Parts: sequence; C-alpha cells; structure tokens
Amino acid sequence: GAVVSQHPSRVICKSGTSVKIECRSLDFQATTMFWYRQFPKQSLMLMATSNEGSKATYEQGVEKDKFLINHASLTLSTLTVTSAHPEDSSFYICSARVAGGPAVDTQYFGPGTRLTVL
Amino acid sequence: GDSVTQMEGPVTLSEEAFLTINCTYTATGYPSLFWYVQYPGEGLQLLLKATKADDKGSNKGFEATYRKETTSFHLEKGSVQVSDSAVYFCALTRRNSGNTPLVFGKGTRLSVIA
Repeated sequence: GAVVSQHPSRVICKSGTSVKIECRSLDFQATTMFWYRQFPKQSLMLMATSNEGSKATYEQGVEKDKFLINHASLTLSTLTVTSAHPEDSSFYICSARVAGGPAVDTQYFGPGTRLTVL
Repeated sequence: GDSVTQMEGPVTLSEEAFLTINCTYTATGYPSLFWYVQYPGEGLQLLLKATKADDKGSNKGFEATYRKETTSFHLEKGSVQVSDSAVYFCALTRRNSGNTPLVFGKGTRLSVIA
C-alpha cells in the first residue's frame, strides 16, 4: 500500500528557533500534499495545500510567513515552523494524494510529528 | 460547501459488541467517501472507502455502504475488539478533484473494554 513518512516524529525546541518537518511519499508520486494541524482530542485542521513546483495555498488564518511550505519534488514536501513559540506546539500531520490511477482520490497520511516548543 | 457530520462520542462498548458510527454528508455531485482511523499518538490510516453509490467498502471486519438516497456512509463492525479502540473519522472528497482536500467529520472516539 501507499506509505507516507514524516521526520522527525517528535521534536522539542526552544522558543524562537525554527523547526523543519519532512513529509515523503515512499512508494508513489504525489503531485499534491496537504499539511494539517491537530489539537488534543480534536479533528484535523487543514493548514495548506502544497503542489509540486508551485507555491502552497494556505487556509484562511494560517500565516504563510510563519509556516513555510516547500514541495520540491513529487515525493517530498517540507513544513518549516519559523520562530516557533509555545502556542505552535501541536501535532502536525501531512498527507499525500496519489497522482493518478484508480486511487487518485485517496489521501495517505504520515504518522505525524509532535512539536513541543518550550 | 461540502460537509460531513458524524455522531459525537465517546462511544464505549464491551468486547464483541456491535458497532455503528453514523456519518452523513452534504456535497454537490458524487463525492468519494472514506473512513480513517487514528490510534493514539499516530497519524490517520485509511480504513475503507467507496467511490460511487451502493459501493460497500470493507476492511478488517469494518464495513460501510455508500447510500446516495440518504447521503450516508455509516461505519459498522459486527464484533469489536479492544484493539479497535481509536478515533474514527468520516471524510469525503470530490471525485477527480485534483487539489481539493478531504473534508473531515469531527471524529468519534471509540473505547472498547474487555
């Protein structure tokens, strides 16, 4: 089946530092990747849609200068949380959408990254 | 806009009980429908899906049937196990919609006790 990995799985950083999270589709190509944020016991909140080779589309209320997204290839997207603050602490999850074929509507999710900002 | 409504939890069942988690949707056209499961501390895993009316998705003993007439996609399992304890999300996306993200329900937490 389609596998999406995220790295790191867990990160603790000091306030003011930047953190990069990688999302990779391991065995398929993904023209579109999505980044979500999840607070405890809540559903996923879409942050942005990332397309290979173009600028990401951010949801309303998400600061694009704070959450930098790069989708450099068909298998890799990165989310950088710049100048992180404690309120950015959360569970970040990426997903990748299959580029074509019978599973084209299906999104496959990474295992998530737990960010804690001290 | 498109939306998904699923029953609020938490749902607590004894092992081997029958499970139903209701999900209804509002969408233009004919969306694809999904159930995802999230175990504690993990990302979402695709549980099953259906892409057209009357399709039945099934996996690991779970089933859901795409009901266009009632705009529903209820999740069922005949006999739950403790290992099924997780949060279940119903979701939809427009078919062949390229960049359109999934629309999620709020999730239903299931706890199965021995």
